[in-house]
Amino acid sequence: KAGVTQTPRYLIKTRGQQVTLSCSPISGHRSVSWYQQTPGQGLQFLFEYFSETQRNKGNFPGRFSGRQFSNSRSEMNVSTLELGDSALYLCASSASGTGPSEGYTFGSGTRLTVV
Amino acid sequence: SQQGEEDPQALSIQEGENATMNCSYKTSINNLQWYRQNSGRGLVHLILIRSNEREKHSGRLRVTLDTSKKSSSLLITASRAADTASYFCATVPIYNQGGKLIFGQGTELSVKP
Repeated sequence: KAGVTQTPRYLIKTRGQQVTLSCSPISGHRSVSWYQQTPGQGLQFLFEYFSETQRNKGNFPGRFSGRQFSNSRSEMNVSTLELGDSALYLCASSASGTGPSEGYTFGSGTRLTVV
Repeated sequence: SQQGEEDPQALSIQEGENATMNCSYKTSINNLQWYRQNSGRGLVHLILIRSNEREKHSGRLRVTLDTSKKSSSLLITASRAADTASYFCATVPIYNQGGKLIFGQGTELSVKP
């Protein structure tokens, strides 16, 4: 079966712009989480959606937002980009409805560079 | 920081040797997972151990969990050059509201042919 698909793979944006990243989970998976990975802070949890509802949110400013559609596809948006937003953004899907009792399946990520 | 710690930060070994990575965490957990990441790409799930388990095996991987010490170790036996990657432990907190993994800082493993 198809894995988790993230688009685009690479993105270059200018400070102040906004960006939207997309994630298509494994078919049948209803939980989608987003993570930011940087050399300095490592892997940090952004938010998680289950059945179109945000269930959990990490410690990121309100410039970071997301949503999930009825087909479980998810998007995350970052507004007013800052240089520090340059990172690898990873999406992960899970079948579990109450938090992962199995491992997550991650996408290959979107590499965002803010200049 | 909520993140756990891994040690060593980097490990270099020869093919055929065993590699051991350690992870410590801070909160009570539901389970602990190990992931591999090749060259800044996506994470690949390796193995999951539940809080009521002490040891688990999967192929050349052996994971142990000591909840009293809030620590875990990952052993890769008979390593291969293809095992070269970064390895992360990730915990699911017992209070988890949904979908949150707390990652360690990772161990960079280099296996030389």
